[in-house]
Amino acid sequence: DADVTQTPRNRITKTGKRIMLECSQTKGHDRMYWYRQDPGLGLRLIYYSFDVKDINKGEISDGYSVSRQAQAKFSLSLESAIPNQTALYFCATSTGTSETGAYNEQFFGPGTRLTVL
Amino acid sequence: RKEVEQDPGPFNVPEGATVAFNCTYSNSASQSFFWYRQDCRKEPKLLMSVYSSGNEDGRFTAQLNRASQYISLLIRDSKLSDSATYLCVVIIRSGGSYIPTFGRGTSLIVHP
Repeated sequence: DADVTQTPRNRITKTGKRIMLECSQTKGHDRMYWYRQDPGLGLRLIYYSFDVKDINKGEISDGYSVSRQAQAKFSLSLESAIPNQTALYFCATSTGTSETGAYNEQFFGPGTRLTVL
Repeated sequence: RKEVEQDPGPFNVPEGATVAFNCTYSNSASQSFFWYRQDCRKEPKLLMSVYSSGNEDGRFTAQLNRASQYISLLIRDSKLSDSATYLCVVIIRSGGSYIPTFGRGTSLIVHP
């Protein structure tokens, strides 16, 4: 079974609809992240959470909200979807830093392809 | 200026060639560095971490140049299966936290 899962994998919706993307992980990691990827723009950070009570805005949080329901679950919501939110969305997890202070690698889910018409 | 910059390519090379990518970063306080590989529209996966002393994993070598603020990835004896997008990741301080910042990726195409 995959360690980081995302649902749905594909979604087509209409402008103005509320959409929720869900991410679950079995890795036991405290840190979770939501990114969007657009062609030619790489991955951009939307929100991140370092533990259940910690939520932080990333580079492009406008138009999005998140909920960290448990250590294993981190949901991303689009309250009123618009066409320029059409993108590939990735959830990722990581542990904290290592004993040397080095950041540890991230593990990504398979992505959700969202199309807003 | 974007905090992490990469040449998007594509780099189009024959099998067996050696190819190198650079990634520049603007924040001199950056602590950790990584190269990820992403196959077409799939999730990124860690290729290798980049250590101050440089590190090698088979045909792949990563180096860090703190003075000039760039990291590099060298691929020797390219294989068809190396065709992918290579993402540079730099851990950058934002507010009170260190968070991963991705470059836009460099596309590599290895042809027969």
